[in-house]
Amino acid sequence: SQTIHQWPATLVQPVGSPLSLECTVEGTSNPNLYWYRQAAGRGLQLLFYSVGIGQISSEVPQNLSASRPQDRQFILSSKKLLLSDSGFYLCAWSVRRGSTDTQYFGPGTRLTVL
Amino acid sequence: KNQVEQSPQSLIILEGKNCTLQCNYTVSPFSNLRWYKQDTGRGPVSLTIMTFSENTKSNGRYTATLDADTKQSSLHITASQLSDSASYICVVRQQGGSQGNLIFGKGTKLSVKP
Repeated sequence: SQTIHQWPATLVQPVGSPLSLECTVEGTSNPNLYWYRQAAGRGLQLLFYSVGIGQISSEVPQNLSASRPQDRQFILSSKKLLLSDSGFYLCAWSVRRGSTDTQYFGPGTRLTVL
Repeated sequence: KNQVEQSPQSLIILEGKNCTLQCNYTVSPFSNLRWYKQDTGRGPVSLTIMTFSENTKSNGRYTATLDADTKQSSLHITASQLSDSASYICVVRQQGGSQGNLIFGKGTKLSVKP
């Protein structure tokens, strides 16, 4: 069966520090991968998605970046965190089947920037 | 503008009671609509998905309805249990476009009390 892992589960970082969040998927090949942010009181916001190794599409301009060094690994990074980067970060994967592809979410990382 | 509006924002019910959550959308062209359940501090999990031609779908005690003419959906929970306490998110996929064509509602936070 497929599983998706994210780490760390929680993170407290000072403003201006770098960030690296990791997501890995097991049990599937060539998944579509996604990074979302969920701020308090707001809906999920798609940050990046990837349809293959080295292929990254950005949905929202910001100081975050994403990379996909391996088929089932997706990394979210920042060189300098802002207070507004605080939130709940979710990684998801999907395999496209027609128009009804389901996205399966990881457990999330709670990031607090102080 | 493509939007998904959910109501109410929050809801408190007693264990064993039924409830109905609402989702109105303005997404066009429409592809499908999905309801997710998100436990606190966890990633969302898909409950149901409906395409244009489907007007009802059940998953255990959860029943979703879709009226594509009025662009409304509802999620009905029967005989609520304490474990139903969660946020319920309505997500509409726009036909065509990129992988980023999912529009998320802000969710309804349901609390089931004993």
